[in-house]
Amino acid sequence: DIVMTQTPLSSPVTLGQPASFSCRSSKSLVHSDGNTYLNWLQQRPGQPPRLLIYQISNRFSGVPDRFSGSGAGTDFTLKINRVEAEDVGVYYCMQSTQFPLVTFGQGTKLEIK
Amino acid sequence: QVQLQQSGPGLVKPSQTLSLTCAISGDSVSSNTAAWHWIRQSPSRGLEWLGRTYYRSKWYYDYALSVKSRIAINADTSKNQFSLQLNSVTPEDTAVYYCAIDRGWLELDCWGQGTLVTVSS
Repeated sequence: DIVMTQTPLSSPVTLGQPASFSCRSSKSLVHSDGNTYLNWLQQRPGQPPRLLIYQISNRFSGVPDRFSGSGAGTDFTLKINRVEAEDVGVYYCMQSTQFPLVTFGQGTKLEIK
Repeated sequence: QVQLQQSGPGLVKPSQTLSLTCAISGDSVSSNTAAWHWIRQSPSRGLEWLGRTYYRSKWYYDYALSVKSRIAINADTSKNQFSLQLNSVTPEDTAVYYCAIDRGWLELDCWGQGTLVTVSS
């Protein structure tokens, strides 16, 4: 299976400041069709996960443009350019390139300082 | 706008079958552009994709290798819902179970509210 490793495990950020989360895969996530199936999800406390970004950098409908994704191959990043209080939660990366061996990272917890 | 409403028991005895249902509003379980998934989340295993079903002139099923021998996902077109059955459960199957929809390539864009299922005698 592809192992997804997220760092840091916890990220205390001041409101209005940027935040950055890293996700590294144990193998390249480039699919044989040329696409890279790396998604980011947000899970607010007590809520189900919510899709933020798909295929590295595509924001899902309704996701604020302060969220952005980047990366290639095995290294990926989710950035929030100005953290708001509603962004508190856990952020997960997820790969489906190796479907049906779908794997998630262990998550990075965003907290407000 | 799609909404998914989960139902099912929160307590299952070891060796028995876990059964959950996900009722769909705002889309059709027979949609030719959607797939219907089950995912679970536990402190020990994190998020774990379990399987999906989808309709493209006929029904297709894909399951995670870790549960393939014990799982069934089925669609009920008369009730516009889909279900999860997981057989021979053990305490390791204790988790919050979610249903979800994707309309791309596992872009899980809408999730049910989650159901905590505890496996205990």
